Amino acid sequence: QLQLQESGPGLVKPSETLSLTCTVSGGSISSSTYYWGWIRQPPGKGLEWIGSIYSSGSRSTYYTPSLKSRVTMSVDTSKNQFSLMLTSVTAADTAVYYCARTATTMFDPWGQGTLVTVSS
Amino acid sequence: SYVLTQPPSVSVAPGQTARITCGGNNIGSKSVHWYQQKPGQAPVLVVYDDSDRPSGIPERISGSNSGNTATLTISRVEAGDEADYYCQVWDRSSDQGVFGGGTKLTVL
Repeated sequence: QLQLQESGPGLVKPSETLSLTCTVSGGSISSSTYYWGWIRQPPGKGLEWIGSIYSSGSRSTYYTPSLKSRVTMSVDTSKNQFSLMLTSVTAADTAVYYCARTATTMFDPWGQGTLVTVSS
Repeated sequence: SYVLTQPPSVSVAPGQTARITCGGNNIGSKSVHWYQQKPGQAPVLVVYDDSDRPSGIPERISGSNSGNTATLTISRVEAGDEADYYCQVWDRSSDQGVFGGGTKLTVL
């Protein structure tokens, strides 16, 4: 059974860079069938897709336009992990961040999520 | 960018049928997926490709999609169905994932 687990700092200072890693177990991230994505949810609000990355070959990436200038995603197949970097964070980036496998056009399964708070 | 519109809340008595809508321009031409999120938990896929259910999801939960509206239907609602529900599509014209704003289902 495929499982995903987010990890990274729970507190980031304003203007600094948020870095999160998603570790995949129970399957290989190198499968050519899937993309791997990040979704976030500010406290008390809805879900926002951040972006998705293809784990094989081209490492194609797709980012939401509102964050595109600050987001970078990468894959480390040797560790079965993929990562998210978000630069120049503000309080508006405070959210629970989820990683998920993107199968065709849907997200399944999801990690349990990790809360990242942006505060000095 | 593509927009999905959901009602903020839906209330239903136990044993009745809940219908949660998701509106979008010509959404019937897209594959719609639905997620259930209970407090403090990650979202869980409950319907994919408009009307298919992942293994383990009860037949009481079903989906449909036509024209400008997709609908998630939960029959014989139980207290355990109380949760937030989100619809989602992939907008191929812009290569973006899009979520609806979410609907809170309250079981009276």
